[in-house]
Amino acid sequence: GESVGLHLPTLSVQEGDNSIINCAYSNSASDYFIWYKQESGKGPQFIIDIRSNMDKRQGQRVTVLLNKTVKHLSLQIAATQPGDSAVYFCAETQGAQKLVFGQGTRLTINP
Amino acid sequence: NAGVMQNPRHLVRRRGQEARLRCSPMKGHSHVYWYRQLPEEGLKFMVYLQKENIIDESGMPKERFSAEFPKEGPSILRIQQVVRGDSAAYFCASSQNTRGGTEAFFGQGTRLTVV
Repeated sequence: GESVGLHLPTLSVQEGDNSIINCAYSNSASDYFIWYKQESGKGPQFIIDIRSNMDKRQGQRVTVLLNKTVKHLSLQIAATQPGDSAVYFCAETQGAQKLVFGQGTRLTINP
Repeated sequence: NAGVMQNPRHLVRRRGQEARLRCSPMKGHSHVYWYRQLPEEGLKFMVYLQKENIIDESGMPKERFSAEFPKEGPSILRIQQVVRGDSAAYFCASSQNTRGGTEAFFGQGTRLTVV
């Protein structure tokens, strides 16, 4: 079965605020994690990834944090914009195998 | 460099017909994954293929479903004798290699509707 889950199915934030999307995973052997963004009617789009030998990685307006002790992953989006509205999925992989996806969190940006 | 190309984007089939979904990976990618997504749900892994080989088909139903990735041409996900429960979005992803984990790029999906 799938081993990645999310704490919150929906999240609403004000435009300009920061967003934090959380993800719990159960496979302690997972060594690679990815956050994807999926807009309506489209395929998942890669946002940022992190390997298990790191605990933080930053991109443009996004930061991923990995806490292996509690098996928790988060995606922080700074200064959210209307274009950030989408469903966000975390995914994990162990070694060279399949990506396992979580349920997803729908992020809504309020003007 | 074109991304992952899936066709058709939309496919309507009557119950009992066959559905063929095609996926052309990104140039230079030899690993292909197929996922299924129901509305308001996550992506469920179906099968992972390399050229001419099925590596992991643990997520694919044992009956009616098959997948291939020939030496030449796109990867094909085939669903025989479709039923209404097969209606879903089917996404294909490709990656260059998976040693140590590398990002997988997704196509826009094929939305299958069984009537």
